[in-house]
Amino acid sequence: GEDVEQSLFLSVREGDSSVINCTYTDSSSTYLYWYKQEPGAGLQLLTYIFSNMDMKQDQRLTVLLNKKDKHLSLRIADTQTGDSAIYFCAESTMGRRALTFGSGTRLQVQP
Amino acid sequence: DAEITQSPRHKITETGRQVTLACHQTWNHNNMFWYRQDLGHGLRLIHYSYGVQDTNKGEVSDGYSVSRSNTEDLPLTLESAASSQTSVYFCASSEGASGNTIYFGEGSWLTVV
Repeated sequence: GEDVEQSLFLSVREGDSSVINCTYTDSSSTYLYWYKQEPGAGLQLLTYIFSNMDMKQDQRLTVLLNKKDKHLSLRIADTQTGDSAIYFCAESTMGRRALTFGSGTRLQVQP
Repeated sequence: DAEITQSPRHKITETGRQVTLACHQTWNHNNMFWYRQDLGHGLRLIHYSYGVQDTNKGEVSDGYSVSRSNTEDLPLTLESAASSQTSVYFCASSEGASGNTIYFGEGSWLTVV
């Protein structure tokens, strides 16, 4: 079945860039997502990328997709304390409406 | 504004009791999902529905059931609660086919003692 993996923890200093990585196994993955979860809250969609793209930029967020290596990354420029949260990578394929999630990466931003 | 709401937000129950978690969305989305979130596992799919009277099992469906009698609601029932079902439960919804944004509720914290 599908599998999505992420590292569990990342700590950065305020103002630095953060890079959160994700790998997936399903070569037919069509849609790849990044969700953010703040403490005690639900998941908020940050950005997404289609498998026919290799990069997407949205303000401070840059998503890079290496389809050959099945590797997805999320770069947050000028990381702020408000970016401290758990970030989930997720994927789905054409015809499957549910998402498969990674275990989440906890980002800690130190002042 | 359209939204997705879950209730109760927090519940403590005893082993063996039946528990129902409610999920209500006002977007008129045809797709609805229930996930559970556990440390180290991320979110795992319990059940999902693509429309009224349609329900399907996800990867961790044992001990859970759902019903879809209308577009807006997908209640999740734990037939006989077990301590292994202590978790945070998230309901979600989306419109149409694959690739459309999935919106999440705020979560229901369930403790089984």
